[in-house]
Amino acid sequence: KAGVTQTPRYLIKTRGQQVTLSCSPISGHRSVSWYQQTPGQGLQFLFEYFSETQRNKGNFPGRFSGRQFSNSRSEMNVSTLELGDSALYLCASSSTGDRSNEQFFGPGTRLTVL
Amino acid sequence: AQTVTQSQPEMSVQEAETVTLSCTYDTSESDYYLFWYKQPPSRQMILVIRQEAYKQQNATENRFSVNFQKAAKSFSLKISDSQLGDAAMYFCAYRERTSGSRLTFGEGTQLTVNP
Repeated sequence: KAGVTQTPRYLIKTRGQQVTLSCSPISGHRSVSWYQQTPGQGLQFLFEYFSETQRNKGNFPGRFSGRQFSNSRSEMNVSTLELGDSALYLCASSSTGDRSNEQFFGPGTRLTVL
Repeated sequence: AQTVTQSQPEMSVQEAETVTLSCTYDTSESDYYLFWYKQPPSRQMILVIRQEAYKQQNATENRFSVNFQKAAKSFSLKISDSQLGDAAMYFCAYRERTSGSRLTFGEGTQLTVNP
């Protein structure tokens, strides 16, 4: 079974631009969560999608948004990029979103904002 | 809000020896999950071990075991017979039963294994 995939793996953008990151969960998984990892703030939860609906949202500004498609693939978008948005963005999928199921993480997308 | 604290930014251990990583958490909930994740230099997060709060028995996975003290809100990870491949950043994480898949992570502990 293929693992969680994230594209692109690396991205360089300039301030003010927008970016879209993609996450393909493990086949059959319906829940996708996104996390931001930075040296200063650590790992922070962005949002979770389950069956195309946002189920949970972290404390991030409205510039951060996401969506999930009918095949469970998810995208997150960051508009008007700031230097502080430079981070590793991780997504994780789980089979039903149920509390007892393990989350499988992707390799991450490294975003650099110049 | 739930918080997770790892008070040891760095730890080191000699190969084949045992090391314990500490984690404390704060929550008003009684039903939740606790996890230890490993993040090697490749940055791929890997689940090491999981504990359900309603289970009194401490979880064990091969060389990895936990000491779960619910009243003290403590969740430490013991690695026995440490191997070079255990070197990584270790994160303690918390998840409520009713919050979907949302994880709250600690700051992490960088583990070095010396040959």
